[in-house]
Amino acid sequence: DAGVTQSPTHLIKTRGQQVTLRCSPKSGHDTVSWYQQALGQGPQFIFQYYEEEERQRGNFPDRFSGHQFPNYSSELNVNALLLGDSALYLCASSLGGLRTEAFFGQGTRLTVV
Amino acid sequence: AQSVTQLGSHVSVSEGALVLLRCNYSSSVPPYLFWYVQYPNQGLQLLLKYTTGATLVKGINGFEAEFKKSETSFHLTKPSAHMSDAAEYFCAVSDNTDKLIFGTGTRLQVFP
Repeated sequence: DAGVTQSPTHLIKTRGQQVTLRCSPKSGHDTVSWYQQALGQGPQFIFQYYEEEERQRGNFPDRFSGHQFPNYSSELNVNALLLGDSALYLCASSLGGLRTEAFFGQGTRLTVV
Repeated sequence: AQSVTQLGSHVSVSEGALVLLRCNYSSSVPPYLFWYVQYPNQGLQLLLKYTTGATLVKGINGFEAEFKKSETSFHLTKPSAHMSDAAEYFCAVSDNTDKLIFGTGTRLQVFP
């Protein structure tokens, strides 16, 4: 079982650019959630995807968007990058998406310069 | 709305000493509570969780936590610290979904 895998592991982008991060859930899981973890902070919920639809969203601007594919993998897109978007982006997968255990990937470290 | 407060951003203990990491929560519904550990440059690993039932929860690596509704607390303990326990620890609460609300974390240092 490969667990939750994220790519890439590290990324450097310039302010104003767009970025796409990818996540493959743990085998058998159908729900993917994305979190942003700024340096020295706890993870903050961005949004959750279930059955290829955004089921709930945290307090993040529309520059943050996502997608879930039929195989349950997911992408996080961020447009018009700001320096403040620099963070570790964590993907978590779960089964059913209702108060079940979430398994986290290793994260993608995004640096905006 | 749900929220989590972790008291103490840094905790230092000697190897073999008791570990106590504090977590208080606020929830408008019966909470599910979690403790996660994060090693440098890694994701989060679940240590233990409370959903319903027994209020004393045992997790991996010798950690346990007790849910105290009257105190709205879910403190994490380990009787004897090991050098390998040095990491960042996060307490989290979920409501009626599995969206997790995390605290700001406590960095545990273990000295020989």
